[in-house]
Amino acid sequence: AQKVTQAQTEISVVEKEDVTLDCVYETRDTTYYLFWYKQPPSGELVFLIRRNSFDEQNEISGRYSWNFQKSTSSFNFTITASQVVDSAVYFCALSARDTDKLIFGTGTRLQVFP
Amino acid sequence: DTGVSQNPRHKITKRGQNVTFRCDPISEHNRLYWYRQTLGQGPEFLTYFQNEAQLEKSRLLSDRFSAERPKGSFSTLEIQRTEQGDSAMYLCASSLIITGEDGYTFGSGTRLTVV
Repeated sequence: AQKVTQAQTEISVVEKEDVTLDCVYETRDTTYYLFWYKQPPSGELVFLIRRNSFDEQNEISGRYSWNFQKSTSSFNFTITASQVVDSAVYFCALSARDTDKLIFGTGTRLQVFP
Repeated sequence: DTGVSQNPRHKITKRGQNVTFRCDPISEHNRLYWYRQTLGQGPEFLTYFQNEAQLEKSRLLSDRFSAERPKGSFSTLEIQRTEQGDSAMYLCASSLIITGEDGYTFGSGTRLTVV
């Protein structure tokens, strides 16, 4: 069975702090894809990143970075120098190669205070 | 093309009534998905289409739920005899190829409240 666990329900930080959102996944597939989405108060899910299971290289995009470790089945997301606009619910998701159905975690609500 | 469009944005209905939601995907996308999201939870897969063919349905999709995608363009999701447990955000997404580099594109959702 496939499962995504986001153990952090809510995180609060002050602007300019760094914050890491954890994601642990379970799958028996050897080929799979991992995603992060942002859901601001408006409700729309905004795509942030997609990684395939064969690419463990860390990724950096501006203030965002992702750490993928197959050994621990984790795909963590770090925001450097957080800003108020980063306040949202962040979802980690998993899909297998033979279907692009996404399995989402329960999300982490990030609140960044000025 | 401005993305995935869902209508209405909000729907309040009385228990027992039927409701229908519409999703207009990005025009060149051949896959269309429906998800349901309840408060405090991540989206849960309901069903998806490739062109006009419905390829998979979740066990969450009871007999009261039906989805169509005539002509492989827009899609409708109908819920018959609504129950309070149907209250949720219904999200539509589309993609061009399987797990494309930009993932899915989601719409803003239709929030259903059953009273």
